[in-house]
Amino acid sequence: GAVVSQHPSRVICKSGTSVKIECRSLDFQATTMFWYRQFPKQSLMLMATSNEGSKATYEQGVEKDKFLINHASLTLSTLTVTSAHPEDSSFYICSATPGQLAKNIQYFGAGTRLSVL
Amino acid sequence: AQSVSQHNHHVILSEAASLELGCNYSYGGTVNLFWYVQYPGQHLQLLLKYFSGDPLVKGIKGFEAEFIKSKFSFNLRKPSVQWSDTAEYFCAVRLGYTGTASKLTFGTGTRLQVTL
Repeated sequence: GAVVSQHPSRVICKSGTSVKIECRSLDFQATTMFWYRQFPKQSLMLMATSNEGSKATYEQGVEKDKFLINHASLTLSTLTVTSAHPEDSSFYICSATPGQLAKNIQYFGAGTRLSVL
Repeated sequence: AQSVSQHNHHVILSEAASLELGCNYSYGGTVNLFWYVQYPGQHLQLLLKYFSGDPLVKGIKGFEAEFIKSKFSFNLRKPSVQWSDTAEYFCAVRLGYTGTASKLTFGTGTRLQVTL
C-alpha cells in the first residue's frame, strides 16, 4: 500500500526557535497533502490543505505566518512552525492523497510530536 | 460545517465480545464515510470506507460498518474482538462530490481496550 513518511517523529526545541517537519509520499505522487494537529485525547484537526505548486489553504483560526507550508514537489510537503512557543506543543500529522480523484484515500504519516520548552 | 460525533470515548471489552462503535455526522448532503484505526505507536490506517451502493461495507480484519442515511450514522461493528484490536478508532466524513481531493472531518476517536 501507499506509504507516507514523516520526519522527525519527535522534536524538542526551545521557545522562539523554528521547527521544520517533512512529509514524504514514498511510492506515489501526492498532488494534495494535508496537515493535522492532534491534542491529547482529542480528534485530528485539519490545519491546512497543501497542493503541489500552489499556496496552501489554511483552515479558519490557523495562522499561516506561524505555520508555513511548502509543497515544492509531488512527493514532499513541509510544515515549519515558526518562533515556536509552548502552546504549539502538539502532535502534528500529515496525510497525502494520490491524484485528484474524489475517491482517492488519504494515507497518513506516523506523526511528529513537538515539545516546546 | 459538518461535524462528526463519536459518543463512546473509551470502550473496554473482553476477547470474543462483540463490538459496536457509534458514529454520527451532521451534514445533509452526499458524504463519503471512513473508519480509521490507530494502533499504539503507529500511524492511522484505513479500516473501511463508504462512497455509495450497498450501505453495509466490509473492511479489513473482520470489521464492517453500516451507513444509515436516515440516522446520519455509520457505526462500526465486529462480531468477535481480539486482543490485537486494542487501538484508537476514528470515524471521518468527507463531503462527497467529484473533483479534487477534499478534506476529512474527524470524530474525537474511541479508545478500544480488549482484555484477555
